[in-house]
Parts: sequence; C-alpha cells; structure tokens
Amino acid sequence: GQNIDQPTEMTATEGAIVQINCTYQTSGFNGLFWYQQHAGEAPTFLSYNVLDGLEEKGRFSSFLSRSKGYSYLLLKELQMKDSASYLCAVRGVGIFGTGTRLKVLA
Amino acid sequence: ETGVTQTPRHLVMGMTNKKSLKCEQHLGHNAMYWYKQSAKKPLELMFVYNFKEQTENNSVPSRFSPECHNSSHLFLHLHTLQPEDSALYLCASSQEALRSGNTIYFGEGSWLTVV
Repeated sequence: GQNIDQPTEMTATEGAIVQINCTYQTSGFNGLFWYQQHAGEAPTFLSYNVLDGLEEKGRFSSFLSRSKGYSYLLLKELQMKDSASYLCAVRGVGIFGTGTRLKVLA
Repeated sequence: ETGVTQTPRHLVMGMTNKKSLKCEQHLGHNAMYWYKQSAKKPLELMFVYNFKEQTENNSVPSRFSPECHNSSHLFLHLHTLQPEDSALYLCASSQEALRSGNTIYFGEGSWLTVV
C-alpha cells in the first residue's frame, strides 16, 4: 500500500523553530514536495527534494532520507503568517499527506 | 496570483442540478489536473490531462465529467451529485504530467456545497 504520515497539528511560538515530520511508504519515489496551504487558499509550492540531505531556502529548509522514507520541513524564526497547513507530497502529484496544521502563537 | 484561475469560487447546487467548474492556466503548461480536498482527508487526485488528452482517472464516479478543450482550459462537469461530494475542488497545472521535479501550481479552488 501507499501511505504518507504527518502529525495533524503543531503549535509553536513566534520567533521559534519548528520541525514538521513526514514519513512515507510508496511503491515508487521520484521526489518529495512540501506545500504550504493557508486556510481557504490553494496550496503553494515550498520545496522539492529528490536526493538525500538538506535543502535550504531562507527561513525554510527541507530534509530527505530515502532509505528511511523520511522527510522534515524546518521553519526558523517563526512568524504569525506561517500559521497554515503544511502538506508533504510524494512523486509530486497524486499522493499527499493529510497535512500538518501549524499554529504560531504570539 | 498563481497563474491558475478557477471559477466560480463558491457554488451551491442541488442534487439534481447540472453545473460546471472552469479552470484556466496562463503558465504555458502542458498538464492540468483536478483534485478534491475534503475536510480532514488527504488531497485526492481525480483526473490528469497531458497535452489535452486524459491520462489518468482515479476511479472517479461518472457524476464528475472532465473536459479539456486545450492545454490551457479544463472543465469539471457536475451532475446528480451527493452531499458527500461537498468539498474544495482544486485545479492545478505543471509543465508536464507526473514528471519528477515538476512543480505543481494550484488554483485557488472552487468551494462546492451540495444540498
């Protein structure tokens, strides 16, 4: 079967660092995407990993370990506007996790 | 502005109605998709079109009927829907269908309520 797991909700404080984990079991693997989705809006692309290691993009970084079927999204210097759902997706299309709803508190 | 435009943004329809959702992309992409997003469920891929041809139908009930005129325009025709079909329907596009590394650009979605 194919499965992607993410925590349902996380809460963090403004200015802090938060790590959102994603584990996957899929029949194929062509890469892993992270998307951000604010309530009532469409998902927007954040990052893409196809090789093991850490990809850094400003305040956001994404890590992948293919042997462990594991990825995480790291958000630094959290801001209130980072409150959103974060979706992990394997193969880019068609297989998404349920998303992690992140609340950033003042 | 993502380059993918969906209309209408909100739609309420009865179970016997016929309505359509429209999607247009201005990104020069060759692939377009319909997704369904229900509360507390993963995003579900419904249909994939590549160069106007349907390449994937993920066991979607026939009461949902897609139509693609060209690589830039995609429709989802709705007929005799059920209340459980109420959801956010997202259109998306990418340079090519189901290719590794292609970023998917989503429209803002059409909120559908079936009464």
